[in-house]
Amino acid sequence: DAGVTQSPTHLIKTRGQQVTLRCSPISGHKSVSWYQQVLGQGPQFIFQYYEKEERGRGNFPDRFSARQFPNYSSELNVNALLLGDSALYLCASSLLPQDSLIYGYTFGSGTRLTVV
Amino acid sequence: SQQGEEDPQALSIQEGENATMNCSYKTSINNLQWYRQNSGRGLVHLILIRSNEREKHSGRLRVTLDTSKKSSSLLITASRAADTASYFCATLLTDKLIFGTGTRLQVFP
Repeated sequence: DAGVTQSPTHLIKTRGQQVTLRCSPISGHKSVSWYQQVLGQGPQFIFQYYEKEERGRGNFPDRFSARQFPNYSSELNVNALLLGDSALYLCASSLLPQDSLIYGYTFGSGTRLTVV
Repeated sequence: SQQGEEDPQALSIQEGENATMNCSYKTSINNLQWYRQNSGRGLVHLILIRSNEREKHSGRLRVTLDTSKKSSSLLITASRAADTASYFCATLLTDKLIFGTGTRLQVFP
């Protein structure tokens, strides 16, 4: 069974551009969460989606948006990129949002975004 | 903002030695989780300890939790070169994980 898959693995964008990152959860998992990890720091929560509805949002500007599709895959969009958006973007999936109470999350390998 | 702070920030040991890393957090928790990250890639869930548990074992891993001190420790026994990675504690806050700053572990052969 495939794990959480993210694409692309690496991406280089110019300041001011827009980027879309993609995540496919484990088959059967309905909840997807997005995290940003700046070099040298721990991951920070951006969004959580469950059944195509936003369940939680972290302290990120409106330039960050996301959505979840009927097949439970998800996209994270970042507009008007800044140098500070350079980071590893991680996607995590779970069957239910509260699975982390018992099992923890399964993470993908991430997308490394570099803004120049 | 980071919920947890790991200590030490970096740790270097020889194969076969034990590695202990500590985590402190700020608010009440449902559970505390430990994750490993190799070379800045994806996180791997290692172990979860609930707020009503004091100690948990999984293979060479031992986790303790002291809710009165808002702290946890992760012990890796008989370390191997393959254990070289960054280790993060994370607490659950209303369905989102709040990660600490991480401990970078280097195990030398």
